[in-house]
Amino acid sequence: SQTIHQWPATLVQPVGSPLSLECTVEGTSNPNLYWYRQAAGRGLQLLFYSVGIGQISSEVPQNLSASRPQDRQFILSSKKLLLSDSGFYLCAWSWPGGGYNEQFFGPGTRLTVL
Amino acid sequence: SQKIEQNSEALNIQEGKTATLTCNYTNYSPAYLQWYRQDPGRGPVFLLLIRENEKEKRKERLKVTFDTTLKQSLFHITASQPADSATYLCALTQYNFNKFYFGSGTKLNVKP
Repeated sequence: SQTIHQWPATLVQPVGSPLSLECTVEGTSNPNLYWYRQAAGRGLQLLFYSVGIGQISSEVPQNLSASRPQDRQFILSSKKLLLSDSGFYLCAWSWPGGGYNEQFFGPGTRLTVL
Repeated sequence: SQKIEQNSEALNIQEGKTATLTCNYTNYSPAYLQWYRQDPGRGPVFLLLIRENEKEKRKERLKVTFDTTLKQSLFHITASQPADSATYLCALTQYNFNKFYFGSGTKLNVKP
């Protein structure tokens, strides 16, 4: 069976500090990978998605970046965090091939920027 | 750009009644519409998918309808239970498309 891991679960960072969130998937190969952000009481905002190693599509211009160094590893980074980067970050995967495939979400990372 | 709207106000219903949640969209022609459940502090969990050429889909106590003319999907939970209390999100995507667009979700409270 497939599992998705995210860490850390919670993170408190000062403004201007760097960020690195990691997501790994087990039990599948060549998955589509996604990073979402959810502000308090809001929906999911798609930040990045990847259909393969080194292939990253950015949805929202911001100070965040994503990388996929391995098939089942997806990393979200920032060089300098802003207050507005606070939120609940979710990683998800789906089978390749299009929108008829459901998304499987990780447990999320709660990021607070002070 | 595409816009997906779900009732921002919480829906409060009595146990045993049918809950109906709405997902409206504009500036988009989705091929697939999905519904997810999200509990506080957790990631969403997939419930149902309906295709643009399907009018209705059922799974146990869940029913989804999809009206591409009205640009609307309705999500029904029959014989609701307190355990159904959660936030429900709709998500839209297109053929051969790898991007999903989510609504902001509607919180459902089922009272015993």
